[in-house]
Amino acid sequence: SAVISQKPSRDICQRGTSLTIQCQVDSQVTMMFWYRQQPGQSLTLIATANQGSEATYESGFVIDKFPISRPNLTFSTLTVSNMSPEDSSIYLCSVHQRTSEKYNEQFFGPGTRLTVL
Amino acid sequence: KQEVTQIPAALSVPEGENLVLNCSFTDSAIYNLQWFRQDPGKGLTSLLLIQSSQREQTSGRLNASLDKSSGRSTLYIAASQPGDSATYLCAVRPYSGGGADGLTFGKGTHLIIQP
Repeated sequence: SAVISQKPSRDICQRGTSLTIQCQVDSQVTMMFWYRQQPGQSLTLIATANQGSEATYESGFVIDKFPISRPNLTFSTLTVSNMSPEDSSIYLCSVHQRTSEKYNEQFFGPGTRLTVL
Repeated sequence: KQEVTQIPAALSVPEGENLVLNCSFTDSAIYNLQWFRQDPGKGLTSLLLIQSSQREQTSGRLNASLDKSSGRSTLYIAASQPGDSATYLCAVRPYSGGGADGLTFGKGTHLIIQP
């Protein structure tokens, strides 16, 4: 299974600033996913990032607010821009891998816990 | 739009009991369904994955079933232990993307196993 690391693990930020979250995978993957988990809520997909192309955003999420980079097959960043307290969430990086028995099994990083004051 | 519902939202049982967590989804056109556990301060750990053509999967004390036509899945935990205490999440992947799209999650079942 893929091993995913994220930096930072947590941060406390001021309103109006931006934070860039890094995601590193120990193997090459075609697609990387960014999810958000607001307090007491389920995980919601923000966008899908393919190497060498623009990220695809889900309804309700826009590139200006959540710019994503995908410079190679093992790394991606998500920036939360012009933050407000409503952006306080856990942000999770995810990939899926096809194995011999399990198709497109999803794996997640440990998450970045963001608090905006 | 796919919606995933998990019942119950929270469950507290004594150690040793067998228990069932329920998941339902509104659109039966799924590629697969995956159960995860989430521990406080940690990411998600994949427990079981069921392809749309499968009826169940087993791993140790865990058994997950899938009835795609009725939009239901259950996670059965046998002989529960305090270490099973966590939030259990159900998620489905749509069929339309050929298995490449992201997951839709339920809100989870917060499980506490009392020693």
